[in-house]
Amino acid sequence: AQSVTQLGSHVSVSEGALVLLRCNYSSSVPPYLFWYVQYPNQGLQLLLKYTTGATLVKGINGFEAEFKKSETSFHLTKPSAHMSDAAEYFCAVSDFRGFKTIFGAGTRLFVKA
Amino acid sequence: DSGVTQTPKHLITATGQRVTLRCSPRSGDLSVYWYQQSLDQGLQFLIQYYNGEERAKGNILERFSAQQFPDLHSELNLSSLELGDSALYFCASSGPGQTNTDTQYFGPGTRLTVL
Repeated sequence: AQSVTQLGSHVSVSEGALVLLRCNYSSSVPPYLFWYVQYPNQGLQLLLKYTTGATLVKGINGFEAEFKKSETSFHLTKPSAHMSDAAEYFCAVSDFRGFKTIFGAGTRLFVKA
Repeated sequence: DSGVTQTPKHLITATGQRVTLRCSPRSGDLSVYWYQQSLDQGLQFLIQYYNGEERAKGNILERFSAQQFPDLHSELNLSSLELGDSALYFCASSGPGQTNTDTQYFGPGTRLTVL
């Protein structure tokens, strides 16, 4: 069975600082990995996804994530946080066999001025 | 705006009642997904339809059912409601392909409160 663990339910950074949100997954077959963002009172929006190919994936709003098979990780980073990045971020896993997407518990990002 | 619409935005009802949530996918999308988001359970996949056919099932209770109509809109029916069913229910759509690498576009959600 697949699973996703997001380390840290809350992360706080200062504006301009590096953002690092951690995600580890478990999958018996090559995974498809996703990061979504949810702003208050809104639905989820895809930031980026990894399916095959290049392991460093660039997404919207300056975010990127690197698929590391040996570490079963897919951490999300952004070099410089902006106030508008304050939101909840979800890591998710799926694969080619089925059509279910398993979401992590989410990490709420706070950005301090 | 993702292009996915959900109605109603808010719904307040009593235990034991039945409600129907509606979702219209983005133009051209054939897949519709339903998710439940609650504080204690997080974001849970419920069910997926592709072009009118059920494609995958997740943690959907037997009291819940869904369908996708020929015009591709979908409805999620929740019956014999319990307090624990209070949650945000999201619909997402993707397509027109069948692969699960397709980006899912989420609607704004329906907030269900069961009193």
